[in-house]
Amino acid sequence: DIVMTQSPDALAVSLGERATINCKSSQSILYSINDKNYLAWYQHKPGQPPKLLIYWASTRESGVPDRFSGSGSGTDFTLTINSLQAEDVAVYYCQQYHATPFTFGQGTKLEIK
Amino acid sequence: QVHLVASGGGVVQPGRSLRLSCAASGFALDAYALHWVRQAPGKGLEWVAVVSNDGNIKYYGDSVQGRFSISRGNSRNTMYLQMNSLRPADTAVYYCVRALGITNWLDIWGQGTLVVVSS
Repeated sequence: DIVMTQSPDALAVSLGERATINCKSSQSILYSINDKNYLAWYQHKPGQPPKLLIYWASTRESGVPDRFSGSGSGTDFTLTINSLQAEDVAVYYCQQYHATPFTFGQGTKLEIK
Repeated sequence: QVHLVASGGGVVQPGRSLRLSCAASGFALDAYALHWVRQAPGKGLEWVAVVSNDGNIKYYGDSVQGRFSISRGNSRNTMYLQMNSLRPADTAVYYCVRALGITNWLDIWGQGTLVVVSS
């Protein structure tokens, strides 16, 4: 199984500042035939279902604010939230969809400092 | 508007069975792969199972393999998760989720249904 490890587990950032969340996979999730990284990022707020933010590691889902961006390739990935807003408080998960079982990272809890 | 609604959760004793249902509105379920993802109390997200759009391909997570079965209903807009030999560790909110294909991101999540396994 591919193990997804996020860091840090929790993060406190001031409003208007940048938040950075890292995700590392235990093996490459880059598919050489299409040069795509099979990684997605989700935002999960209490009482709501998770929401897709980013897929193919760096493609923003329609309707997601452009302060959210994803980067990385192979085994190391980053979710960056620029100019943090109060509504960005949530738990963020990375997930690989390269191979079953489609594993998630353990989550990173983002709070306002 | 596109929606997924999971139902069928409840309280069940260890060792017993339960069937969850997932219904769609605003789109045809059979055009998409469908997943179940769960979240135990105080824990993170855990992928459970997936079925292809035609129902012929199914995969399961390690912790449910051999006990859970995912299937599509006769109706174009229903999907099921049959859960047998339930354990307390299966206690979680279960989400049904849509994806364009099996190896695709999860783009639409339903509201979730709570399953509690307890004596």
